[in-house]
Amino acid sequence: GENVEQHPSTLSVQEGDSAVIKCTYSDSASNYFPWYKQELGKGPQLIIDIRSNVGEKKDQRIAVTLNKTAKHFSLHITETQPEDSAVYFCAATYSGGGADGLTFGKGTHLIIQP
Amino acid sequence: EAQVTQNPRYLITVTGKKLTVTCSQNMNHEYMSWYRQDPGLGLRQIYYSMNVEVTDKGDVPEGYKVSRKEKRNFPLILESPSPNQTSLYFCASSPPGGTEAFFGQGTRLTVV
Repeated sequence: GENVEQHPSTLSVQEGDSAVIKCTYSDSASNYFPWYKQELGKGPQLIIDIRSNVGEKKDQRIAVTLNKTAKHFSLHITETQPEDSAVYFCAATYSGGGADGLTFGKGTHLIIQP
Repeated sequence: EAQVTQNPRYLITVTGKKLTVTCSQNMNHEYMSWYRQDPGLGLRQIYYSMNVEVTDKGDVPEGYKVSRKEKRNFPLILESPSPNQTSLYFCASSPPGGTEAFFGQGTRLTVV
């Protein structure tokens, strides 16, 4: 089955700096790679996703890159703000990407220092 | 409002006492799933369902049961809970075709 490794487990950055979280996956058949943000006391919420036919996707301060050859993908957050503090999960799946097939990384606790 | 609703949010129970955590979604999604979240282990899938009366095991199914008699509901059943099932549980739903999975608010279960 799929295995997703996520690094780092904790990331502390100064407000206004950039943050990068990296994930690798093992199954070359995986074709959908979402990122979820989990705020304290809440369930994970999708913030951005990318499919295997695309190398990069941006949404305002957030971007995701995918390298299919190396089987890794990354989340980039620019101009970090206090509200970016949360736990971030990457995931990969070979199916349609629904709730049945997601394999998650172990999560990154992002801390934005004022 | 589109949402996934879990109940209860918090539960403390004793070893061996059967319990059910309910999950309901109002988005007419085919796919539903249960995850447990433990420190340092991330989110691990327990069971999933691709439609009514269709369920399958995830990565950590031991000690759990599920049913999908109606499209909107996907309860998680612990027939004989043990302390190693103390965890934070999430239900999720999504439509088919590779789009967003919607998560509930979570149920924090403690088994003593």
